[in-house]
Amino acid sequence: SQQGEEDPQALSIQEGENATMNCSYKTSINNLQWYRQNSGRGLVHLILIRSNEREKHSGRLRVTLDTSKKSSSLLITASRAADTASYFCATVLLNNAGNMLTFGGGTRLMVKP
Amino acid sequence: DGGITQSPKYLFRKEGQNVTLSCEQNLNHDAMYWYRQDPGQGLRLIYYSQIVNDFQKGDIAEGYSVSREKKESFPLTVTSAQKNPTAFYLCASRPLTGGKNEQFFGPGTRLTVL
Repeated sequence: SQQGEEDPQALSIQEGENATMNCSYKTSINNLQWYRQNSGRGLVHLILIRSNEREKHSGRLRVTLDTSKKSSSLLITASRAADTASYFCATVLLNNAGNMLTFGGGTRLMVKP
Repeated sequence: DGGITQSPKYLFRKEGQNVTLSCEQNLNHDAMYWYRQDPGQGLRLIYYSQIVNDFQKGDIAEGYSVSREKKESFPLTVTSAQKNPTAFYLCASRPLTGGKNEQFFGPGTRLTVL
Protein backbone atom coordinates (compact mmCIF):
# COMPACT_ATOMS: atom_id res chain seq x y z
CA SER A 1 0.00 0.00 0.00
CA GLN A 2 1.17 3.52 -0.64
CA GLN A 3 2.70 5.46 2.21
CA GLY A 4 1.23 8.75 1.16
CA GLU A 5 -2.30 9.69 0.32
CA GLU A 6 -3.11 12.99 -1.28
CA ASP A 7 -6.14 15.15 -1.03
CA PRO A 8 -7.88 16.29 -3.11
CA GLN A 9 -7.35 13.91 -6.01
CA ALA A 10 -8.26 16.71 -8.40
CA LEU A 11 -8.43 20.48 -8.04
CA SER A 12 -9.64 23.11 -10.49
CA ILE A 13 -9.05 26.80 -9.82
CA GLN A 14 -8.87 30.11 -11.65
CA GLU A 15 -5.59 31.78 -12.48
CA GLY A 16 -4.48 34.01 -9.63
CA GLU A 17 -6.07 31.88 -6.92
CA ASN A 18 -4.09 29.85 -4.42
CA ALA A 19 -3.97 26.06 -4.61
CA THR A 20 -3.56 23.88 -1.54
CA MET A 21 -2.79 20.18 -1.70
CA ASN A 22 -2.50 17.87 1.28
CA CYS A 23 -0.54 14.69 1.88
CA SER A 24 -0.90 12.23 4.72
CA TYR A 25 1.46 9.39 5.51
CA LYS A 26 1.51 6.43 7.85
CA THR A 27 4.96 5.85 9.34
CA SER A 28 7.80 8.03 10.62
CA ILE A 29 9.81 9.78 7.97
CA ASN A 30 13.27 11.21 7.40
CA ASN A 31 12.01 13.74 4.89
CA LEU A 32 9.09 14.48 2.61
CA GLN A 33 9.40 15.72 -0.95
CA TRP A 34 7.01 17.25 -3.45
CA TYR A 35 7.28 16.59 -7.17
CA ARG A 36 5.46 17.93 -10.18
CA GLN A 37 4.57 15.97 -13.32
CA ASN A 38 3.31 17.47 -16.54
CA SER A 39 1.10 15.14 -18.53
CA GLY A 40 3.09 12.29 -20.06
CA ARG A 41 6.39 13.54 -18.73
CA GLY A 42 8.89 12.72 -16.01
CA LEU A 43 8.74 14.15 -12.52
CA VAL A 44 10.48 17.33 -11.42
CA HIS A 45 11.56 17.87 -7.84
CA LEU A 46 10.01 20.96 -6.25
CA ILE A 47 10.94 21.04 -2.59
CA LEU A 48 12.17 18.85 0.28
CA ILE A 49 11.26 19.29 3.92
CA ARG A 50 13.06 17.37 6.66
CA SER A 51 11.31 15.82 9.63
CA ASN A 52 12.70 18.48 11.99
CA GLU A 53 11.40 21.33 9.84
CA ARG A 54 7.91 22.77 9.96
CA GLU A 55 7.78 25.09 6.97
CA LYS A 56 9.78 25.82 3.82
CA HIS A 57 9.37 28.32 1.02
CA SER A 58 10.56 28.32 -2.55
CA GLY A 59 9.27 31.11 -4.77
CA ARG A 60 5.48 30.76 -4.91
CA LEU A 61 5.59 27.41 -3.12
CA ARG A 62 5.08 26.95 0.59
CA VAL A 63 5.32 23.53 2.22
CA THR A 64 4.36 22.70 5.78
CA LEU A 65 4.98 19.53 7.72
CA ASP A 66 3.17 18.37 10.86
CA THR A 67 4.84 15.19 12.08
CA SER A 68 2.38 14.78 14.95
CA LYS A 69 -0.44 14.53 12.43
CA LYS A 70 1.73 12.81 9.82
CA SER A 71 0.68 15.31 7.20
CA SER A 72 2.08 17.89 4.83
CA SER A 73 0.60 20.57 2.64
CA LEU A 74 1.78 22.27 -0.52
CA LEU A 75 0.50 25.77 -1.21
CA ILE A 76 0.96 27.38 -4.60
CA THR A 77 0.21 31.09 -4.42
CA ALA A 78 -1.01 33.27 -7.28
CA SER A 79 -1.42 30.27 -9.56
CA ARG A 80 -0.78 30.43 -13.30
CA ALA A 81 -2.10 28.32 -16.16
CA ALA A 82 1.42 26.89 -16.46
CA ASP A 83 1.04 25.37 -12.97
CA THR A 84 -1.43 22.87 -14.45
CA ALA A 85 0.10 19.47 -13.66
CA SER A 86 -0.05 16.57 -11.23
CA TYR A 87 1.64 17.05 -7.88
CA PHE A 88 2.98 14.15 -5.84
CA CYS A 89 4.26 13.90 -2.32
CA ALA A 90 6.93 11.30 -1.63
CA THR A 91 8.34 10.21 1.69
CA VAL A 92 11.70 8.81 2.71
CA LEU A 93 11.17 6.59 5.72
CA LEU A 94 13.33 6.67 8.83
CA ASN A 95 16.20 4.18 8.71
CA ASN A 96 15.72 3.72 4.99
CA ALA A 97 19.18 2.71 3.86
CA GLY A 98 18.39 3.15 0.22
CA ASN A 99 16.69 6.52 0.68
CA MET A 100 13.87 5.15 -1.42
CA LEU A 101 10.87 7.32 -2.15
CA THR A 102 7.31 6.14 -1.51
CA PHE A 103 4.83 8.14 -3.57
CA GLY A 104 1.27 9.16 -2.97
CA GLY A 105 -1.39 8.99 -5.64
CA GLY A 106 -1.08 12.64 -6.60
CA THR A 107 -3.31 15.68 -6.97
CA ARG A 108 -4.24 16.73 -10.49
CA LEU A 109 -4.31 20.51 -10.59
CA MET A 110 -5.96 22.46 -13.37
CA VAL A 111 -5.52 26.22 -13.45
CA LYS A 112 -7.95 27.92 -15.79
CA PRO A 113 -6.82 31.11 -17.52
CA ASP B 1 24.28 18.83 -21.43
CA GLY B 2 23.76 16.68 -18.36
CA GLY B 3 20.68 14.64 -17.77
CA ILE B 4 18.90 11.34 -17.70
CA THR B 5 17.50 9.86 -20.89
CA GLN B 6 15.11 7.04 -21.60
CA SER B 7 14.42 5.29 -24.85
CA PRO B 8 12.28 4.61 -26.64
CA LYS B 9 9.54 7.10 -25.80
CA TYR B 10 6.84 4.68 -26.96
CA LEU B 11 7.13 0.90 -27.13
CA PHE B 12 4.68 -1.69 -28.33
CA ARG B 13 4.99 -5.31 -27.42
CA LYS B 14 3.15 -8.43 -28.39
CA GLU B 15 2.09 -10.74 -25.62
CA GLY B 16 4.78 -13.25 -24.73
CA GLN B 17 7.69 -11.03 -25.79
CA ASN B 18 10.41 -9.64 -23.59
CA VAL B 19 11.30 -5.98 -24.10
CA THR B 20 14.13 -3.86 -22.72
CA LEU B 21 13.79 -0.22 -21.76
CA SER B 22 16.90 1.92 -21.77
CA CYS B 23 17.93 4.41 -19.08
CA GLU B 24 21.18 6.38 -19.29
CA GLN B 25 22.48 9.21 -17.14
CA ASN B 26 25.57 11.41 -17.42
CA LEU B 27 25.11 13.05 -14.02
CA ASN B 28 27.66 10.74 -12.36
CA HIS B 29 24.93 9.60 -9.97
CA ASP B 30 25.50 6.45 -7.97
CA ALA B 31 21.91 5.36 -7.43
CA MET B 32 19.37 4.58 -10.13
CA TYR B 33 15.72 3.59 -9.86
CA TRP B 34 12.91 2.18 -12.00
CA TYR B 35 9.28 3.06 -11.33
CA ARG B 36 6.00 2.02 -12.87
CA GLN B 37 3.09 4.46 -13.14
CA ASP B 38 -0.44 3.38 -14.04
CA PRO B 39 -3.03 5.92 -15.29
CA GLY B 40 -4.05 8.38 -12.60
CA GLN B 41 -1.81 6.73 -10.03
CA GLY B 42 1.41 7.43 -8.20
CA LEU B 43 4.75 5.74 -8.84
CA ARG B 44 5.67 2.28 -7.60
CA LEU B 45 9.27 1.13 -7.25
CA ILE B 46 10.33 -1.83 -9.38
CA TYR B 47 14.10 -2.07 -8.82
CA TYR B 48 16.90 0.13 -7.62
CA SER B 49 20.69 0.05 -7.68
CA GLN B 50 23.16 1.97 -5.56
CA ILE B 51 26.35 0.62 -7.07
CA VAL B 52 27.57 -1.09 -10.22
CA ASN B 53 26.84 -4.82 -10.35
CA ASP B 54 24.38 -4.61 -7.47
CA PHE B 55 20.63 -4.03 -7.41
CA GLN B 56 17.67 -4.60 -5.11
CA LYS B 57 14.03 -5.47 -5.64
CA GLY B 58 11.44 -2.83 -5.01
CA ASP B 59 7.76 -3.28 -4.24
CA ILE B 60 6.71 -4.77 -7.59
CA ALA B 61 9.74 -6.59 -9.02
CA GLU B 62 7.93 -9.72 -10.22
CA GLY B 63 8.10 -10.06 -14.00
CA TYR B 64 10.94 -7.55 -14.34
CA SER B 65 14.72 -7.82 -14.44
CA VAL B 66 17.55 -5.28 -14.44
CA SER B 67 21.31 -5.06 -14.80
CA ARG B 68 23.86 -2.47 -13.74
CA GLU B 69 27.05 -3.20 -15.65
CA LYS B 70 27.99 0.47 -15.95
CA LYS B 71 27.39 3.39 -13.62
CA GLU B 72 25.67 5.33 -16.40
CA SER B 73 23.22 2.65 -17.48
CA PHE B 74 20.36 0.79 -15.80
CA PRO B 75 18.26 -1.09 -18.38
CA LEU B 76 14.94 -2.67 -17.41
CA THR B 77 13.63 -5.82 -19.07
CA VAL B 78 9.91 -6.47 -18.95
CA THR B 79 9.54 -10.21 -19.27
CA SER B 80 6.63 -12.30 -20.46
CA ALA B 81 6.05 -13.19 -16.81
CA GLN B 82 4.73 -9.68 -16.17
CA LYS B 83 1.00 -10.20 -16.58
CA ASN B 84 -0.07 -6.59 -16.99
CA PRO B 85 2.90 -4.65 -18.39
CA THR B 86 1.04 -1.79 -20.08
CA ALA B 87 2.12 1.28 -18.12
CA PHE B 88 4.35 4.35 -18.08
CA TYR B 89 7.89 3.52 -16.90
CA LEU B 90 10.09 6.13 -15.28
CA CYS B 91 13.79 5.94 -14.51
CA ALA B 92 15.45 8.16 -11.92
CA SER B 93 18.91 8.73 -10.47
CA ARG B 94 20.40 10.32 -7.38
CA PRO B 95 23.86 11.03 -6.03
CA LEU B 96 24.71 9.24 -2.78
CA THR B 97 27.11 11.94 -1.59
CA GLY B 98 26.55 15.65 -1.06
CA GLY B 99 23.45 15.36 1.06
CA LYS B 100 21.05 15.55 -1.87
CA ASN B 101 17.97 13.44 -1.33
CA GLU B 102 16.03 14.43 -4.41
CA GLN B 103 15.75 12.14 -7.41
CA PHE B 104 16.16 13.24 -11.01
CA PHE B 105 13.74 11.68 -13.46
CA GLY B 106 13.93 10.78 -17.11
CA PRO B 107 11.10 11.57 -19.56
CA GLY B 108 9.60 8.08 -19.35
CA THR B 109 8.74 5.22 -21.71
CA ARG B 110 5.14 4.33 -22.42
CA LEU B 111 4.81 0.58 -22.96
CA THR B 112 1.72 -0.87 -24.58
CA VAL B 113 1.04 -4.56 -24.94
CA LEU B 114 -0.95 -5.40 -28.05
